[in-house]
Amino acid sequence: SQKIEQNSEALNIQEGKTATLTCNYTNYSPAYLQWYRQDPGRGPVFLLLIRENEKEKRKERLKVTFDTTLKQSLFHITASQPADSATYLCGPNAGNNRKLIWGLGTSLAVNP
Amino acid sequence: NAGVTQTPKFQVLKTGQSMTLQCAQDMNHEYMSWYRQDPGMGLRLIHYSVGAGITDQGEVPNGYNVSRSTTEDFPLRLLSAAPSQTSVYFCASSYRMTGTTVYEQYFGPGTRLTVT
Repeated sequence: SQKIEQNSEALNIQEGKTATLTCNYTNYSPAYLQWYRQDPGRGPVFLLLIRENEKEKRKERLKVTFDTTLKQSLFHITASQPADSATYLCGPNAGNNRKLIWGLGTSLAVNP
Repeated sequence: NAGVTQTPKFQVLKTGQSMTLQCAQDMNHEYMSWYRQDPGMGLRLIHYSVGAGITDQGEVPNGYNVSRSTTEDFPLRLLSAAPSQTSVYFCASSYRMTGTTVYEQYFGPGTRLTVT
């Protein structure tokens, strides 16, 4: 079945470093992937969308890549700050029939 | 704009009770959806709608009904609550939809439901 997989282990990094989160997809070829941020007790918030032909997209300190050969998207936060601490979700992408597929998310903690 | 609003924020039900979770958006979005989010399970699509009068099932539709009589509102009905429906429920909407492609979604604040 179609699946999006993200690192289930929390990522802990030091303030100022670059955080890199991984999203792998299997059994389908998404035309695009999206990244969202979710804070505890709140709904996800859209960050970036990248299409399969874009390879890389940037927004301020955020950068997303899309490698169709590796079937993978990487999400980078440069010069990370404690305020970047949250769970980051990959997806959704409409596989078949608009049934949107989400990853489970990766928790990021940026330590001061 | 209020964005996507959900009521109530918290609800406790007894097994067998029914209730409706309300969702409204004021952005004139065509696409609306309901998710449940459980620890270790991620976001799972319950039902979705691509416009007024059109709804379809998502990944986990059993035990839930929806209707979409207006563009703005998309209520989710629990027919006979069960403990397995204890979860956080999110409503979302999106204006960008082309064919089978749905782009960025706007989420409501969520409803935390406990069924005892």
